[in-house]
Amino acid sequence: GAGVSQSPSNKVTEKGKDVELRCDPISGHTALYWYRQRLGQGLEFLIYFQGNSAPDKSGLPSDRFSAERTGESVSTLTIQRTQQEDSAVYLCASSLRLAGVKPGELFFGEGSRLTVL
Amino acid sequence: QQQVKQSPQSLIVQKGGISIINCAYENTAFDYFPWYQQFPGKGPALLIAIRPDVSEKKEGRFTISFNKSAKQFSLHIMDSQPGDSATYFCAASWSGSARQLTFGSGTQLTVLP
Repeated sequence: GAGVSQSPSNKVTEKGKDVELRCDPISGHTALYWYRQRLGQGLEFLIYFQGNSAPDKSGLPSDRFSAERTGESVSTLTIQRTQQEDSAVYLCASSLRLAGVKPGELFFGEGSRLTVL
Repeated sequence: QQQVKQSPQSLIVQKGGISIINCAYENTAFDYFPWYQQFPGKGPALLIAIRPDVSEKKEGRFTISFNKSAKQFSLHIMDSQPGDSATYFCAASWSGSARQLTFGSGTQLTVLP
C-alpha cells in the first residue's frame, strides 16, 4: 500500500510482558516519528528517526521504551515489562525530509492499540 | 515552553453553523502551525497549515486565523457538515526541534444533522 502501515492493529497483553510494535513508513520517507495517544488526549512525542542520524529519543517516558529503525525503512517500538499506564494507541508517522528546515507533512498510520491488563 | 493549549475539549454545532477551535502557544520559536483531523480508528491527517508570516489562510470551508502578537491561532470551519465530525488537533513545530510536532489536546467536534 501507499500509506504508513502499522502492526498489530490491536494488542492485548498482561502486565510485565514485553511487546513489539512495527511501522512500515511510506517508501522514500526519510523521517519517522512515534507518538503515543492516550484515550481522549493529544499526541505525545516519543522518538524521531532521520536517515542515518542518531535518533531523537527525548520523548521516551522511561528506559522500558526503546525503538530501532533499519536504514530508512521499518521501525520497531519495544516496550519492556509493560505497565497498565502504557495502555494507549501508538501512532507512527513518516515524512519527506525537505531541504533545509522546511516542514514536511506528517503521514500517520492507523496506530497500534495496546491494552495492558 | 513546548506546550500548545487547545480549547474547547468538545464542541457541538448544528449543520451549516461555524465551528471555531482555538489554540495558544508559548514558544516564540514555533514557525509552523498545522491542524490535523482524526476520524475514529484512523490516524490524524493534515487538514491545513500556516506559517507566521501571514495572518490568515483559507482552504475551502477551512480557515486558519493567526495572531502572532497574542501567540494564538484558530481553526474556523464554515458551513459545518456532519462529515466534519471528528477530533481536531492543532500543532506547532520549529526547525530546532527537527520539525517534531507538539500537539494540542484535541477537540472533539460533533456536527448535528
